[in-house]
Amino acid sequence: EPEVTQTPSHQVTQMGQEVILRCVPISNHLYFYWYRQILGQKVEFLVSFYNNEISEKSEIFDDQFSVERPDGSNFTLKIRSTKLEDSAMYFCASARMGAYEQYFGPGTRLTVT
Amino acid sequence: GEDVEQSLFLSVREGDSSVINCTYTDSSSTYLYWYKQEPGAGLQLLTYIFSNMDMKQDQRLTVLLNKKDKHLSLRIADTQTGDSAIYFCAESPRGQGGKLIFGQGTELSVKP
Repeated sequence: EPEVTQTPSHQVTQMGQEVILRCVPISNHLYFYWYRQILGQKVEFLVSFYNNEISEKSEIFDDQFSVERPDGSNFTLKIRSTKLEDSAMYFCASARMGAYEQYFGPGTRLTVT
Repeated sequence: GEDVEQSLFLSVREGDSSVINCTYTDSSSTYLYWYKQEPGAGLQLLTYIFSNMDMKQDQRLTVLLNKKDKHLSLRIADTQTGDSAIYFCAESPRGQGGKLIFGQGTELSVKP
């Protein structure tokens, strides 16, 4: 059964450094998403991406964040200058055209020290 | 505004039924979802219900939707120890392609 995959599973970085989180969505899916879950808090929407552009973003998704689909398979989330409060589990999700279900990857745990 | 609320914990005995409840605020939500998260794992889609339905059954899972009260529940029949996990309710205000708004999750503990 196809799955969303994410790498790395755990990333430790120092405050102020740039990080890139990578996702490979399910191959025939056209909608892509990033969510995050700070420890003990709700899963929060960050951004959605369709047809090579951002379709919606939350207030969290400020100028420090960017997303890209650099090729036909990867979907990345970049944080330019990480802050301590960016420490969270980051989930990628994808959905196919015409469907309402979003399928999530296993997540990348980002720890900013 | 958009908000989804769940109780934080539920403990049941193996073989009993579990009922996990959720309330949401956005009456325009077209689809409502239940996801399961096991320790160290991602979010697994369990089931979903369209807002014009009252009930959906899928094997041991029954979803009930009371649109008037904006209340969603997930019933797990014959709960097993393997059902121990965090269960998240989510709504989709915009429908297809739109974001999901999650509750804080209910931790289900199943005791043998």
